[in-house]
Order: sequence, then C-alpha cells, then structure tokens
Amino acid sequence: EPEVTQTPSHQVTQMGQEVILRCVPISNHLYFYWYRQILGQKVEFLVSFYNNEISEKSEIFDDQFSVERPDGSNFTLKIRSTKLEDSAMYFCASRGIGSQPQHFGDGTRLSIL
Amino acid sequence: EDQVTQSPEALRLQEGESSSLNCSYTVSGLRGLFWYRQDPGKGPEFLFTLYSAGEEKEKERLKATLTKKESFLHITAPKPEDSATYLCAVQASGNTGKLIFGQGTTLQVKP
Repeated sequence: EPEVTQTPSHQVTQMGQEVILRCVPISNHLYFYWYRQILGQKVEFLVSFYNNEISEKSEIFDDQFSVERPDGSNFTLKIRSTKLEDSAMYFCASRGIGSQPQHFGDGTRLSIL
Repeated sequence: EDQVTQSPEALRLQEGESSSLNCSYTVSGLRGLFWYRQDPGKGPEFLFTLYSAGEEKEKERLKATLTKKESFLHITAPKPEDSATYLCAVQASGNTGKLIFGQGTTLQVKP
C-alpha cells in the first residue's frame, strides 16, 4: 500500500540553525500538508500546498518557515532560524482529489538544543 | 472559532469490555469528520470519514457515528492490539483541507 515517507526520523539541531525536513508524498496525490505536534499537545495545522503554491497557512507558519516541492516528488519544510519552541514532531500528509482523506507519514522528531 | 474536544482523555478497558469515545465539535460548515489511530512514535493512521449527520461507518471492532454536534467511536469487544490513541479531526467547508484535531483519547486494553 502506498505511503507517505519522511526523513530524517529524528533531527537534532542547535538553536539558530536552519533545518530542512523532507517528505515524499503518495505519488498520485495533489494536496500536501505539514502539521506539528508538540509533546503532549494536539496535532496543529501548519500549511497546505497545492499546484505549487501555499493555499493556506496558520499563524504558526511565520516568515521563518517555508515549503517547497522542488522536483515533483519531494515536499520539504524549511525552518530558517530554529528556536527552542520549534521542538516538536512534524508530520507531512498528502491526499488525492475530492474528499479523499489525508494520509500521514510517521513524522520527524525535531529537537532544538 | 472551529474547535474539537475529545473525551475521555484516557480510557482503560479489559479485553472484551465494549465502550465509546466521544468527539464534540463546533465548525463553520462541516465538510468531513475524520477518525485516526495513532500508535506511539507513529503518524496518524486513517480509519473513517463521516460526512453528514446520521452516517455510520464500520471496520472490524470499530464503528463511527455522527450527529450535528458530535461523533462517537464505538469499540466492541476490544483486544489488546486496539490499544492506541484515537484522534478525531474536522475539516470545515470552503477551506483547503486543513484538519483541526482534538487532543485524542488514549485507549489501553488489558488482557
């Protein structure tokens, strides 16, 4: 069964450094998402991406964040200058057309030191 | 403001002891309500989508129902392998597919 894959599974980074989280969505999906889950809290929406542009973003998704689909298969989330409060589990999701559900990867655990 | 609240936060059952999980929501036009299962260290795994009040979906020991204000996930004769966190999420109409999640119910089924 096709699945969303995310790399790395765990990323440890010094505060202020840039980090790129990578995702390979399911191949025929058209809509892509990033969510995050701080330990013990709800899964929170960050951004949605369709047709090579951001279609919606949350208040969390400020100028430090960016997304890209560089080559038609990968979908990346970049955090330019990481802060301690960026420590969380980051999930990528994708879905097909219409009302199909979103399918999630197993996440990248980001630890900021 | 769109909001999802799940109860209880945690539930312990004996194997075979049936129960229900609740998801209450307020949303500006419901496009879909989704149930996911999340195992420790894993991403949410899709279970069901419900679109309109009165709809029901079943899969093995799980049955999801929907009213205009809440959804229930009924677990019949659970087994230890049903132990997981169950997440409810809503998608409001007119947006881009953004999901709003509840905080989840962590279910533990003891043999």
